[in-house]
Amino acid sequence: KAGVTQTPRYLIKTRGQQVTLSCSPISGHRSVSWYQQTPGQGLQFLFEYFSETQRNKGNFPGRFSGRQFSNSRSEMNVSTLELGDSALYLCASSRGSFGRETQYFGPGTRLLVL
Amino acid sequence: AQSVTQLGSHVSVSEGALVLLRCNYSSSVPPYLFWYVQYPNQGLQLLLKYTSAATLVKGINGFEAEFKKSETSFHLTKPSAHMSDAAEYFCAVSEGRDDKIIFGKGTRLHILP
Repeated sequence: KAGVTQTPRYLIKTRGQQVTLSCSPISGHRSVSWYQQTPGQGLQFLFEYFSETQRNKGNFPGRFSGRQFSNSRSEMNVSTLELGDSALYLCASSRGSFGRETQYFGPGTRLLVL
Repeated sequence: AQSVTQLGSHVSVSEGALVLLRCNYSSSVPPYLFWYVQYPNQGLQLLLKYTSAATLVKGINGFEAEFKKSETSFHLTKPSAHMSDAAEYFCAVSEGRDDKIIFGKGTRLHILP
């Protein structure tokens, strides 16, 4: 069974631009969650989608948004990029109930904002 | 709200020695607890999880963790460290169904030859 895939793996953008990251979950998984990982803040939860609906949201500004498609693939968008948005963005999928299910992580997209 | 504290951002042990990574949690309800491992340039991989069954949980690669409610702890142990165990380890907590998962800051484990 194929794992969670994320594209692109690396990205360089400049301040003020916007970026879209993509995540394809494991086949059959309906929950997709996104995390931002930085050396200073560690792993921070962004949001979780289940069957195309945002079910949980972390404490990030509205510049961070996401969506999920009917095939469970998910995209995350960051508008008006800031230097502090440089991070590893991880996507994870699980079969169902978010809180207690095992999450399977993708390799991440490393975003550098210049 | 739930929270997780991992004691020690860096831990060094000699190859063959006991590995002990500490995790304390805060939760208003019986929690779900997880340990994940992250190798360089990779995503996270589940080592083990506690979901209110046995308090001693065995995971992959010889790791295990014990849930101690009285101490609100979920420490990760391995009897004998191997060089391949060098990685970053994350403890995480959830308050259950449909709840978000909160991760600790992580502990980087160094194995000394």
